[in-house]
Amino acid sequence: QQPVQSPQAVILREGEDAVINCSSSKALYSVHWYRQKHGEAPVFLMILLKGGEQKGHDKISASFNEKKQQSSLYLTASQLSYSGTYFCGTEDHAGGGNKLTFGTGTQLKVEL
Amino acid sequence: GAGVSQSPRYKVAKRGQDVALRCDPISGHVSLFWYQQALGQGPEFLTYFQNEAQLDKSGLPSDRFFAERPEGSVSTLKIQRTQQEDSAVYLCASSLVVVGAQETQYFGPGTRLLVL
Repeated sequence: QQPVQSPQAVILREGEDAVINCSSSKALYSVHWYRQKHGEAPVFLMILLKGGEQKGHDKISASFNEKKQQSSLYLTASQLSYSGTYFCGTEDHAGGGNKLTFGTGTQLKVEL
Repeated sequence: GAGVSQSPRYKVAKRGQDVALRCDPISGHVSLFWYQQALGQGPEFLTYFQNEAQLDKSGLPSDRFFAERPEGSVSTLKIQRTQQEDSAVYLCASSLVVVGAQETQYFGPGTRLLVL
């Protein structure tokens, strides 16, 4: 079942913050976050496995709620390089060979 | 180090032609995945290999789609008698399977297929 991402698109001024959400109707095994620039490969950002988990590096972080049905990606003090389409990829059970089901994406544009 | 590479990067085919898309995974990566990405959409799973074994092909849309990885390294996705609805970007990803750990999938740049 495809996760739902919101918002579909967002425009930021450089330095502003953004939150991207990824929701499922049932508990997930894991959430993977990727960023994809036009015509390029999706680039891995992070994986979350545990309910209540939060992790991050630099100014990009993410959380996974206790029920493991929602994950949020937090972009702080955005930079021009953050522009792209963000996807969450989910696994709904272990042992599936890491097959991911991706959301429809959130287009992020950072402007000067 | 070298990442996942795919060839060709662009392919234009006439409806009815057969095409073959190649994926070179990261050296030593055991798992290999194929995804199809339509314009403006997220990638959709097609098939998965662990070494040379195709463990899941549930996402292949029809029997015109066939994938192989005969020596457990390079993989080829073949589409027979292409149709216009096959137009999409075909992404390959590989991961290093580590027992008991969650594995990151590293994606290639994709092959953009246009069927006229």
